[in-house]
Amino acid sequence: EAGVTQFPSHSVIEKGQTVTLRCDPISGHDNLYWYRRVMGKEIKFLLHFVKESKQDESGMPNNRFLAERTGGTYSTLKVQPAELEDSGVYFCASSQRGAKNIQYFGAGTRLSVL
Amino acid sequence: GESVGLHLPTLSVQEGDNSIINCAYSNSASDYFIWYKQESGKGPQFIIDIRSNMDKRQGQRVTVLLNKTVKHLSLQIAATQPGDSAVYFCAEKTGADGLTFGKGTHLIIQP
Repeated sequence: EAGVTQFPSHSVIEKGQTVTLRCDPISGHDNLYWYRRVMGKEIKFLLHFVKESKQDESGMPNNRFLAERTGGTYSTLKVQPAELEDSGVYFCASSQRGAKNIQYFGAGTRLSVL
Repeated sequence: GESVGLHLPTLSVQEGDNSIINCAYSNSASDYFIWYKQESGKGPQFIIDIRSNMDKRQGQRVTVLLNKTVKHLSLQIAATQPGDSAVYFCAEKTGADGLTFGKGTHLIIQP
């Protein structure tokens, strides 16, 4: 069974540009989460989808970030326009239905904003 | 704010020895705790979890201990191997929301 996959693995963009990150969860997992880790900080929760619905987006830093999960399968996280402080590693995780199920993480996308 | 934190950023142990990684949490409402291992270039990998109605859980070479009185979580790794070298994160969960992670402890295995 394929794990959580993220694309791209690394993205380098200039300040003001737009970047879209993609996450393909494990097949059949209703829950999909986005997290990010900026340099020297903890991994922070961004938002949680249950199928195509946003369950909790309290961790989204500001309105430059837009997450979608049309059809309840893969998800995208768009940053527009990107700022220097957005640099970090963006992780996606998925889990089966239920709050206490294990979250499986992808390898992450390393975003560098120059 | 409430957070999960780790006592030591780096832990160095001899191969074959046992390792203990500690974690403190402050949200008394957290009811589920997880340890993750992250190797270079990879995402966090699940190791073991424990629910708040338990105080100990064992896996293969790993044991998690939960002390709710002092809000403390630990991960014990028996007979550490070179492949155990990684950053270890504790994480807590409250309700259906996302995980709250600690800063991580870098475990170094010396030959």
